[in-house]
Amino acid sequence: DQQVKQNSPSLSVQEGRISILNCDYTNSMFDYFLWYKKYPAEGPTFLISISSIKDKNEDGRFTVFLNKSAKHLSLHIVPSQPGDSAVYFCAAMPGTYKYIFGTGTRLKVLA
Amino acid sequence: DAGVTQSPTHLIKTRGQQVTLRCSPKSGHDTVSWYQQALGQGPQFIFQYYEEEERQRGNFPDRFSGHQFPNYSSELNVNALLLGDSALYLCASRAGGMNEQYFGPGTRLTVT
Repeated sequence: DQQVKQNSPSLSVQEGRISILNCDYTNSMFDYFLWYKKYPAEGPTFLISISSIKDKNEDGRFTVFLNKSAKHLSLHIVPSQPGDSAVYFCAAMPGTYKYIFGTGTRLKVLA
Repeated sequence: DAGVTQSPTHLIKTRGQQVTLRCSPKSGHDTVSWYQQALGQGPQFIFQYYEEEERQRGNFPDRFSGHQFPNYSSELNVNALLLGDSALYLCASRAGGMNEQYFGPGTRLTVT
């Protein structure tokens, strides 16, 4: 049973526009969420995170929104740049030990 | 400051063989986790080591075992390899009390 879902396998966005990546989860006990970016032949790189007690966290061009009632989080990238083209994974933490990852969304930013 | 390093980069093994993958955590990190990423999937948690003990384990059979050394480096061992074990194996480290983990580049294991 997939507890963390990224229903869009891919997304294309024009350079300078907003990219919105979505993630849904099923377990209300998750208390921390993270977004990672992955380039080919590299490991995932931490982008931004949010605690379940908050509904928004911002870091430069990246903002994560958490809607606990809908069990939904989203990552906004504004403005999108060609270097943002990568696979983005959302991850949830059911406690302090492990991540549960979604299946990823491939973002392509068109110049 | 070196990040998380893993060796080897690539590995090809035959069904039934055994394999050992190695990981050195980021400087200052004492907790190491291992993940398996199959093609087209997100990473799946295998287990986590802290103070040389396995702290939690994901849904993987006993063929998967690990070890953490006093210098915090870690090994992942897989016995009796199956074709389905072909995947990218990722090591991640973190400092105690932190939620953010840092990942290595992974070891690509191919079982033929």
